Amino acid sequence: GAGVSQTPSNKVTEKGKYVELRCDPISGHTALYWYRQSLGQGPEFLIYFQGTGAADDSGLPNDRFFAVRPEGSVSTLKIQRTERGDSAVYLCASSLGVGGLIQETQYFGPGTRLLVL
Amino acid sequence: AQSVTQLGSHVSVSEGALVLLRCNYSSSVPPYLFWYVQYPNQGLQLLLKYTTGATLVKGINGFEAEFKKSETSFHLTKPSAHMSDAAEYFCAVSDINSGYALNFGKGTSLLVTP
Repeated sequence: GAGVSQTPSNKVTEKGKYVELRCDPISGHTALYWYRQSLGQGPEFLIYFQGTGAADDSGLPNDRFFAVRPEGSVSTLKIQRTERGDSAVYLCASSLGVGGLIQETQYFGPGTRLLVL
Repeated sequence: AQSVTQLGSHVSVSEGALVLLRCNYSSSVPPYLFWYVQYPNQGLQLLLKYTTGATLVKGINGFEAEFKKSETSFHLTKPSAHMSDAAEYFCAVSDINSGYALNFGKGTSLLVTP
């Protein structure tokens, strides 16, 4: 079946602008995760959803970052007043979300490459 | 707090040679350990994972890893490298205190030469 999809694949914006990044998880997966991967680094956790609610947003760097998942499927990561330091690849992952979450395999999308000029 | 260290940001091997990618972790409680591979312009793909039970874990594409608690290591190996193994490899750890987040290492870029 279809994997995790993310749109757009690339986004170029100017400093100070607002951007939205979209994630479509695997059908039936109730758990959804956002990570950020800076150049030369491993992915860093941002936020985790179980269903519609954000169960853990401890990785969001500041209040410019916000994510929603209103119907428990598609999620949108929103970044306000973008800064050059926000340039990175934003990865989305999903998992089944049925018990034993820590051990569950997270399936990753191809990412959105964000460049803030 | 948990962390992962991957020794060697770049590893080069000849086709047919042994692949060894090193990963050391720190965790105050029993860890769950993962290896992911990332091909250019593709998403991360799980190679293998250790949760509980047998410490030698076999994954896809002929890779395996052994959890060694005494050495806090989870090194990834493959007996014979193939050109198609060239990619970026990430070790990750989670535990019951980290919630659901995977904590990744910085990655190791594997180059396979003819």
